[in-house]
Amino acid sequence: GNSVTQMEGPVTLSEEAFLTINCTYTATGYPSLFWYVQYPGEGLQLLLKATKADDKGSNKGFEATYRKETTSFHLEKGSVQVSDSAVYFCALFDNTNAGKSTFGDGTTLTVKP
Amino acid sequence: GAVVSQHPSRVICKSGTSVKIECRSLDFQATTMFWYRQFPKKSLMLMATSNEGSKATYEQGVEKDKFLINHASLTLSTLTVTSAHPEDSSFYICSAFLAGKETQYFGPGTRLLVL
Repeated sequence: GNSVTQMEGPVTLSEEAFLTINCTYTATGYPSLFWYVQYPGEGLQLLLKATKADDKGSNKGFEATYRKETTSFHLEKGSVQVSDSAVYFCALFDNTNAGKSTFGDGTTLTVKP
Repeated sequence: GAVVSQHPSRVICKSGTSVKIECRSLDFQATTMFWYRQFPKKSLMLMATSNEGSKATYEQGVEKDKFLINHASLTLSTLTVTSAHPEDSSFYICSAFLAGKETQYFGPGTRLLVL
């Protein structure tokens, strides 16, 4: 079956530091890949997505590139802010699996001033 | 675009009562909606897949008679927690699938507390 493995947290960084959150996946088909962000007490917000190999998703300074050869979709940001503190979920959508998505366990990011 | 709402955002009820949670896609039609449950500091647990006009498909271990799902229209799905007990207290999140963009859009969640 499909699976998503995320870097374990929590991750604590100082403001303006570089962020990487690793995500690797296994899938039988050709999935689309997503990063979602969850702020405390809220639902998930779509952060970025990529639908095929070598696509780069980007939003709000965050980027992730769909790497088929390494089955990875690592999230990066060059300079984090305190407001980026949240839980980040990597997910894949495989349209051969009844439209279900598979989520990683989430990585908690805390950015300190 | 692609906004999903949930109502209520927070509910407190007595043990034994039933609670209905609504999930609406506000600006698009969703043939498929999903219901998740999230425990503190944990990932999302898929409970069921709700398809408009047909019976929901429940994940293994989820009691379909306890968690009633109705998807009566292309913009509304409801989850009813019947005879709620304290162990049902949790954060319930719905999502709506936007075909064409092949993306799930999530509601803001409903926090249920059963006393």
